[in-house]
Amino acid sequence: DAGVTQSPTHLIKTRGQQVTLRCSPKSGHDTVSWYQQALGQGPQFIFQYYEEEERQRGNFPDRFSGHQFPNYSSELNVNALLLGDSALYLCASSLNRGGTYEQYFGPGTRLTVT
Amino acid sequence: DAKTTQPNSMESNEEEPVHLPCNHSTISGTDYIHWYRQLPSQGPEYVIHGLTSNVNNRMASLAIAEDRKSSTLILHRATLRDAAVYYCILRPFSGTYKYIFGTGTRLKVLA
Repeated sequence: DAGVTQSPTHLIKTRGQQVTLRCSPKSGHDTVSWYQQALGQGPQFIFQYYEEEERQRGNFPDRFSGHQFPNYSSELNVNALLLGDSALYLCASSLNRGGTYEQYFGPGTRLTVT
Repeated sequence: DAKTTQPNSMESNEEEPVHLPCNHSTISGTDYIHWYRQLPSQGPEYVIHGLTSNVNNRMASLAIAEDRKSSTLILHRATLRDAAVYYCILRPFSGTYKYIFGTGTRLKVLA
């Protein structure tokens, strides 16, 4: 059973460019969350998608957007890249149900903005 | 959002128990306490969670204070593979879907 997969593993972009990161959730999961992790910091919640809609959003600008597809996979798009967007981007999947569901994280995509 | 406080780093000898503390004095009655750990070059992985009672699983034990203002993650016999950053997270039962990570505790295991 494949866990959460993310692509690409690493990415180098230039300031002002746009980037798309992809995530496939763990089999059976229907909810995808995205996190940004700067070096030496804990992950910061960007947003969560369920039923192809953004359900909750963290404190990130509109340059960060996402999408969830009918097969539950998801994309994270970042426009007008800034140097400060350099980070590890983590995708986490879970099964939507009330209470204490746990999230399964992928290995992340390392984005470097130069 | 309720906040957690953890020591920045801890050390343990291999094969010995490790107690990782977490303070969460602003916890509300419906907040679950989750622990995740992040091994080098990996995404966080679930360790354990609880609400009021102590919990055990194959990875660890979670001891929750009676007033729920603190908790302790217990690794019964630390191995080198347990070296990681451990995060204590509060998650409300409902109304929010996000995990709020702090900076966690970096555990170093000495051979």
